[in-house]
Amino acid sequence: QSALTQPPSASGSPGQSVTISCTGTSSDVGDYDFVSWYQHHPGKAPKLIIYQVNKRPSGVPDRFSGSKSGNTASLTVSGLQADDEADFYCSSYAGRNTWVFGGGTKLTVL
Amino acid sequence: EVQLVESGGGLVQPGRSLRLSCAASGFKFDDYAMHWIRQVPGKGLEWVSGINWNSGSKGYADSVKGRFTISRDNAKNSLSLQMNSLRPEDTALYYCAKDITVYDTSGCDSWGQGILVTVSS
Repeated sequence: QSALTQPPSASGSPGQSVTISCTGTSSDVGDYDFVSWYQHHPGKAPKLIIYQVNKRPSGVPDRFSGSKSGNTASLTVSGLQADDEADFYCSSYAGRNTWVFGGGTKLTVL
Repeated sequence: EVQLVESGGGLVQPGRSLRLSCAASGFKFDDYAMHWIRQVPGKGLEWVSGINWNSGSKGYADSVKGRFTISRDNAKNSLSLQMNSLRPEDTALYYCAKDITVYDTSGCDSWGQGILVTVSS
């Protein structure tokens, strides 16, 4: 169970789009369509924004989208807003009833 | 409204045990898998353990396997995490979380506020 690899930071100006990558292996991201993404504002509980690679829970705006290619998943945030500034984590099912998280990406809205 | 309330945290010496509990309400508890996820202060999220809806499947992170045991009581809408042989590196904020998918596992759509566990002499 090795952590998924995310860039430590990402940034964009209001209105722009930013994409965050999440690289795993053929034993997790590459083998299952069970990739999820979380937005975490410090001091609050994490919020699920994408599950099963590209599905959005009720209430999550379509500015958030997910995709996957091979062992790498991606989260795109379009139309950046100030409130999007947070830590973002990817997570993948890794088989044998286990999950693994990425190290997290701090998104800064310039 | 889904509510998940953790309890049982605190300060404990290395090598000792602690039992975390999570009281769930606002949803049909026995339909959903549940998870424990932790965060070391200033660090990232780490999945710790998960259990399916009927306790038939359980999983553990390598870092806690053999020391932690997850369980649930569907009659009491309660999730537990028995933590034995605690180490300083287990110090973290522990979250109880509900899976989004009925009878399956796809990600956690509801989280508690977390409970702090500090392992120190």
